[in-house]
Amino acid sequence: EADIYQTPRYLVIGTGKKITLECSQTMGHDKMYWYQQDPGMELHLIHYSYGVNSTEKGDLSSESTVSRIRTEHFPLTLESARPSHTSQYLCASSESEGRREAFFGQGTRLTVV
Amino acid sequence: GQNIDQPTEMTATEGAIVQINCTYQTSGFNGLFWYQQHAGEAPTFLSYNVLDGLEEKGRFSSFLSRSKGYSYLLLKELQMKDSASYLCAVRFREYGGATNKLIFGTGTLLAVQP
Repeated sequence: EADIYQTPRYLVIGTGKKITLECSQTMGHDKMYWYQQDPGMELHLIHYSYGVNSTEKGDLSSESTVSRIRTEHFPLTLESARPSHTSQYLCASSESEGRREAFFGQGTRLTVV
Repeated sequence: GQNIDQPTEMTATEGAIVQINCTYQTSGFNGLFWYQQHAGEAPTFLSYNVLDGLEEKGRFSSFLSRSKGYSYLLLKELQMKDSASYLCAVRFREYGGATNKLIFGTGTLLAVQP
C-alpha cells in the first residue's frame, strides 16, 4: 500500500477564503505532482516538483501555488478560493527514474460556495 | 505540444477479452503507464512500458510501439469489478526541461456487463 496522504479528504469553504491542501509521503520520493480532476473528466497536471526547492507549473493553468521545503511534504495553497476552484485535487509521488510508477493519495474534494 | 488519445467509453461482456487503445504524440518520451480508476477513487497503477513489446501481468497485458506512438491495454477474463476508467499516462521530458512530466489521457470508461 502506498504511503501518501492527503488532508482533508473533503472541504467545503466560502468564497475568498485562503486554503491549503496537504500532501505528505513517507517513501522518500523526489518527484511529487498535483493533478486537478473534475467528475468524469481527465486528470490535469497543475504543479510538479523534482526535489526540495524545485517546483514547476503543469499544463493546466492554475491560480494555486505550491512549495517544497521538505522532501516529504508538498502543500498546495489557494490564496482566495472561488467557486471555479471546485474540483478534486490529487497528489502523487514517484521515484526519479526508471520503472517507477506514480502513487496517488486519496484526493481532496474541494467545494467552494 | 503533447497529446494523448483514448476512446471515451467501451462496453464488454463478463469473461470476454477487451483491448483499450491509446495513441500519443510527445517529444522526449520516457515511458507509458496504465492506471485503473474507480469512480470517486484515486488511480492505481496497472502496468508500465518503456521499450517496444508486450508486458504481461496476470489478466492484464500492455503493449507499446514507440515508432507508432501507440499502446494498448488488454484485459482478459473480464470480471464485473473491472468496470472502471482506464487511464493512459505518458512520461516525457520537454526540450530543455529539468525533469520528466507525467500527463494523462482522458481515460476510457469500461462497462462490464453480465
